[in-house]
Amino acid sequence: GENVEQHPSTLSVQEGDSAVIKCTYSDSASNYFPWYKQELGKRPQLIIDIRSNVGEKKDQRIAVTLNKTAKHFSLHITETQPEDSAVYFCAAPSSVGGKLIFGQGTELSVKP
Amino acid sequence: GAVVSQHPSWVICKSGTSVKIECRSLDFQATTMFWYRQFPKQSLMLMATSNEGSKATYEQGVEKDKFLINHASLTLSTLTVTSAHPEDSSFYICSARDGGVYTDTQYFGPGTRLTVL
Repeated sequence: GENVEQHPSTLSVQEGDSAVIKCTYSDSASNYFPWYKQELGKRPQLIIDIRSNVGEKKDQRIAVTLNKTAKHFSLHITETQPEDSAVYFCAAPSSVGGKLIFGQGTELSVKP
Repeated sequence: GAVVSQHPSWVICKSGTSVKIECRSLDFQATTMFWYRQFPKQSLMLMATSNEGSKATYEQGVEKDKFLINHASLTLSTLTVTSAHPEDSSFYICSARDGGVYTDTQYFGPGTRLTVL
């Protein structure tokens, strides 16, 4: 079945360092890849997304790269700050019903 | 833009009672809404897909008679947990899909924390 694998499950970095979270997907027809940030007890918030017609997208300190051949995409956060601490989820669309398949989540901790 | 509200934000009820949760898209029309359940430190588990004016599509293993979904308008979907039991305690989150050019973007509501005593 359709699947999205996300690694690592936890990530701890020092403030100012970079953080990278990777996801792989199984459906080669997938063409949209969002990343969500969820703080404790809050809603998941869309922070960046990428569509299959580009290989990279950047928004200030956040970037996403996509390798369609290998079926993986990654979130890159540079110059991390304590407020970046949260759980991050990647997702890819299912071929059925327009739903999203979510990764397992990565708990990012940025230590001051 | 693309704001989704959810009500109530938290609810405590006795075992056996029913609880209704509302999900509204405030500034856009959502032909499709989704209902998720999330346990502590876990990912989002899709329960059902709700399309305006038609029956919801439930994921495998989700009891449709227990989790009643109604999507009566383009801005409102409701989830009713019938005869709730302690094991139904969870964080329920809805999302709505923006029916714009890129119709696959989902925006989430703030969630409802349900505690069944």
